[in-house]
Order: sequence, then structure tokens, then C-alpha cells
Amino acid sequence: GQQLNQSPQSMFIQEGEDVSMNCTSSSIFNTWLWYKQDPGEGPVLLIALYKAGELTSNGRLTAQFGITRKDSFLNISASIPSDVGIYFCAGHHSGNTPLVFGKGTRLSVIA
Amino acid sequence: NAGVTQTPKFQVLKTGQSMTLQCAQDMNHEYMSWYRQDPGMGLRLIHYSVGAGITDQGEVPNGYNVSRSTTEDFPLRLLSAAPSQTSVYFCASSAGQEQFFGPGTRLTVL
Repeated sequence: GQQLNQSPQSMFIQEGEDVSMNCTSSSIFNTWLWYKQDPGEGPVLLIALYKAGELTSNGRLTAQFGITRKDSFLNISASIPSDVGIYFCAGHHSGNTPLVFGKGTRLSVIA
Repeated sequence: NAGVTQTPKFQVLKTGQSMTLQCAQDMNHEYMSWYRQDPGMGLRLIHYSVGAGITDQGEVPNGYNVSRSTTEDFPLRLLSAAPSQTSVYFCASSAGQEQFFGPGTRLTVL
């Protein structure tokens, strides 16, 4: 099945650093979503993007819906230890079609 | 609201055994889905349902059955468990574009 190309696969950063990850696709999406999964838990929705070019923030998190509708990025500013987890991007084509997920970016924060 | 609930949280099966993973949501969402998560593979869609009485296959449906007799419940059945079905299973529901996930069921098949 189709998957989004999410990068990087994993990151090790120092506490306080900024983080950037992105997702790309060969096809157009109408919605981009970013999720975070803590160890042993289900994914939790962080940010939803509905319009090409849209830039949305949620605290220290900022995500953008690419203008071509084929990509999205997520930035985390001033990382803290609780940012550790797996971040997933997901895209939605239209209607009741299933979400398409990236394979995730595993973030580790070194204090 | 409890959101999306899943039971059991952990399960160990022997090869060939059958079991049902339960999923329920109290948000009156029409759309529900099941995913499995394996290391390095992300979330792979098993089956989904756009409403009561309607189900469809996802990316990896083999070995799994589903039914949707009510809006609230979407059970996932393993008829004859295999070691390849060892995984973490997540149920999710949505009313629009934003899916909400349950806490997961960790299944081990010996």
C-alpha cells in the first residue's frame, strides 16, 4: 500500500535544540496530520492541517502544509525530555478513504 | 467521554488459537479502523469501517476478520493465530479527518 516518506527515521538531539522532520508523497493530500506516540501508548494527534500553505502552531510545535500539497513538515522548538517518542505524519486524500501513515521519526532527547 | 477503549491490554496465544480484540468508542464516530504496529513498519491498516454494517479491507487484512453491528463497537477476530500476528494492535475512530487512537493491545503468539 501507499506510504508517506518520512524523514529522518531517527534523531538524537540535545535538550534545548530545535527539531525538524518532514513527510513527502508522490500524490496530493487534502489533509495532513501529525501524531506523537509515547512508549506503550497509542498515537495522539498533535496538529491537523487542512489547507495548502497553512502554518499551524501548538505550543512549541509548528507544522506546515506544503504548497504543492505533497509534503508537510513539523518543527519542535527548544526540545525537552518529554518530547521523546515517535512522531508520525499522516495524509488523507478525500472522503472516507483511509489515512496514509509515514513510518515515523523516533526522537531521543539527551539531557 | 472514555474515547476509544481497547481490551485486553496484553494477550498471549498459542499458534492456532482464536481470539477477539475488542474496540469501543463513545464519540458516535462513524469511521473506525484497526492497525497493527511492528518495529520499523509504522502503522499498517488491517480493516476499516465507514459505518455500521459496512467494512472494508486495508493493507494487511489476511488472517483477520471484522464486523460492525453497532456504531460503538468494532471487534477484530483472529480465527487461527500465527506467530506472524505477534504485534501491537491499535483501534481508531474519527468523525472527520482526525483519527483518535485507543491505547493498544499487545499480542504475542507462541
